[in-house]
Amino acid sequence: GQQLNQSPQSMFIQEGEDVSMNCTSSSIFNTWLWYKQDPGEGPVLLIALYKAGELTSNGRLTAQFGITRKDSFLNISASIPSDVGIYFCAGQSTTSGTYKYIFGTGTRLKVLA
Amino acid sequence: GAVVSQHPSWVICKSGTSVKIECRSLDFQATTMFWYRQFPKQSLMLMATSNEGSKATYEQGVEKDKFLINHASLTLSTLTVTSAHPEDSSFYICSARVGPSWTEAFFGQGTRLTVV
Repeated sequence: GQQLNQSPQSMFIQEGEDVSMNCTSSSIFNTWLWYKQDPGEGPVLLIALYKAGELTSNGRLTAQFGITRKDSFLNISASIPSDVGIYFCAGQSTTSGTYKYIFGTGTRLKVLA
Repeated sequence: GAVVSQHPSWVICKSGTSVKIECRSLDFQATTMFWYRQFPKQSLMLMATSNEGSKATYEQGVEKDKFLINHASLTLSTLTVTSAHPEDSSFYICSARVGPSWTEAFFGQGTRLTVV
């Protein structure tokens, strides 16, 4: 199935550092979502973006909806050990009118205390 | 956020048997639910879109007779893996959309299926 390209694929950072990851697509999306998944669990929604250029924060997390509507990025400031996990972006496609969500390949984050 | 509950969390079944997984929206009505499959260290692959009161829309390559989806009410969708085989072992996750087509979706906790 279709997937979004997410980078980096994985990253190791020191506690307290800022983290940045992005998601790109060849298609235009109307909605961008960012999720975090812990092992053996379902993804948890972090931030939802609905308009091109929109910048939204949720605590230490900030995400932006790219102007071209083909990309989005997520920043995590002052990382802490519990930030470890896999981060997925998801874009909403209106193909065939189903408004389904296409997921990125994921960024695996590891935080070193 | 909205709460989506998936049951069971894990199941082990014998090859050739069928397994049913339930996905419930606990505090909202969901006209649309999605079923995903996830292999270890990989992303979520959409299997089908489930719409209340109508037939599910399956993604290309997903066998609709193998993975039966029923969305009989606004709070419940079920996925039945029929005649399961070891290659069907995977992590299955559902999500439910909270409102109109452009809104976000919330996920259940997932079901780990092991076919022996």
